[in-house]
Amino acid sequence: GAGVSQSPSNKVTEKGKDVELRCDPISGHTALYWYRQSLGQGLEFLIYFQGNSAPDKSGLPSDRFSAERTGGSVSTLTIQRTQQEDSAVYLCASSLLGADGYTFGSGTRLTVV
Amino acid sequence: QQQVKQSPQSLIVQKGGIPIINCAYENTAFDYFPWYQQFPGKGPALLIAIRPDVSEKKEGRFTISFNKSAKQFSLHIMDSQPGDSATYFCAAGFNYQLIWGAGTKLIIKP
Repeated sequence: GAGVSQSPSNKVTEKGKDVELRCDPISGHTALYWYRQSLGQGLEFLIYFQGNSAPDKSGLPSDRFSAERTGGSVSTLTIQRTQQEDSAVYLCASSLLGADGYTFGSGTRLTVV
Repeated sequence: QQQVKQSPQSLIVQKGGIPIINCAYENTAFDYFPWYQQFPGKGPALLIAIRPDVSEKKEGRFTISFNKSAKQFSLHIMDSQPGDSATYFCAAGFNYQLIWGAGTKLIIKP
């Protein structure tokens, strides 16, 4: 596609439920990143994919968070047993050349009630 | 050593003024220094970027000044407009990774 597509754009879930967030990167971009941005805050790195493998998952805040990427394309970020502190905007970015040339999606706003 | 320190946290400038946002880094392995602009409800978008072999880069009204010896770089916005009101993030990159500043919320008053 023309840009990075994320779905859903908004998600409200009850505490304790599992959620799945989807990222569809720019076609041909081998690098894919997930970030978390709390209201009015900076970007918190979560995980990096190169192709289908994740050489850097150091930013995942707990074992409730996991991500996968299939076919070198679509990625899914899963949060199990959601907590209120998980409420944030989850941003996905893809890149052809690593650090040079991130393109971000518009994010998924997750609200845990 | 991986930190990027960005200042100020917020900035209010009159239309036509020149807001300046500063960033400092420590790791000399960084070789790519972009600035991103983020509007509410949107993801950050690449605005302008520089590599350490040049001291200045200009694109339209946006200029990056880079001081390799001081390990500092800054964004200048000439003839600022209300439409430039946004949050600006600097970053420093190496290989696949970008290390981000905390962001500057810029407001341009009409």
